[in-house]
Amino acid sequence: GIQVEQSPPDLILQEGANSTLRCNFSDSVNNLQWFHQNPWGQLINLFYIPSGTKQNGRLSATTVATERYSLLYISSSQTTDSGVYFCAARNTGGFKTIFGAGTRLFVKA
Amino acid sequence: KAGVTQTPRYLIKTRGQQVTLSCSPISGHRSVSWYQQTPGQGLQFLFEYFSETQRNKGNFPGRFSGRQFSNSRSEMNVSTLELGDSALYLCASSTTGQGNSPLHFGNGTRLTVT
Repeated sequence: GIQVEQSPPDLILQEGANSTLRCNFSDSVNNLQWFHQNPWGQLINLFYIPSGTKQNGRLSATTVATERYSLLYISSSQTTDSGVYFCAARNTGGFKTIFGAGTRLFVKA
Repeated sequence: KAGVTQTPRYLIKTRGQQVTLSCSPISGHRSVSWYQQTPGQGLQFLFEYFSETQRNKGNFPGRFSGRQFSNSRSEMNVSTLELGDSALYLCASSTTGQGNSPLHFGNGTRLTVT
């Protein structure tokens, strides 16, 4: 099945800093999503982005499907950005979405 | 529009018992999938349902089962509970069964097995 790898596993930022999270996947996908899990366990869908670039406020994401990777950019980080960021992919013709191990982000005030 | 609703939020069971978790998807969503989250294994796929049919199942023992009803609500059942079944169980819904729509998660059911 499809493999999803995320880097870095952990990230500590000073408030106001920018960061880039990476997601590599092993197969062609028809579905690539980014999620944020807050300290209470709630998983929030940030982007549905099988290809191309999207922006939502301070967050943006780019997926280059032909090269099998996706990037999540966080600009001007805030303490409320802390949590775990997951990338999830589903390969074409597959019937399950596979999650990466996540990037744990801590933003210091 | 109401989000994905999972009940109960918390559950404490003892080894050997069985448990049933419930998930009500967003209105109009016909696909429901379930995930188990543990600190050691991360988010692992359990099942995916679409129009009452199980389309795929993850690598879990037969003690884990599920079903989907005609109104798209879903339940999962774990029989003969083991300590290692302690986890956050998350349900997600999406509009289609083709994988080309975003997943929306509920708040999860935190199961503790003692």
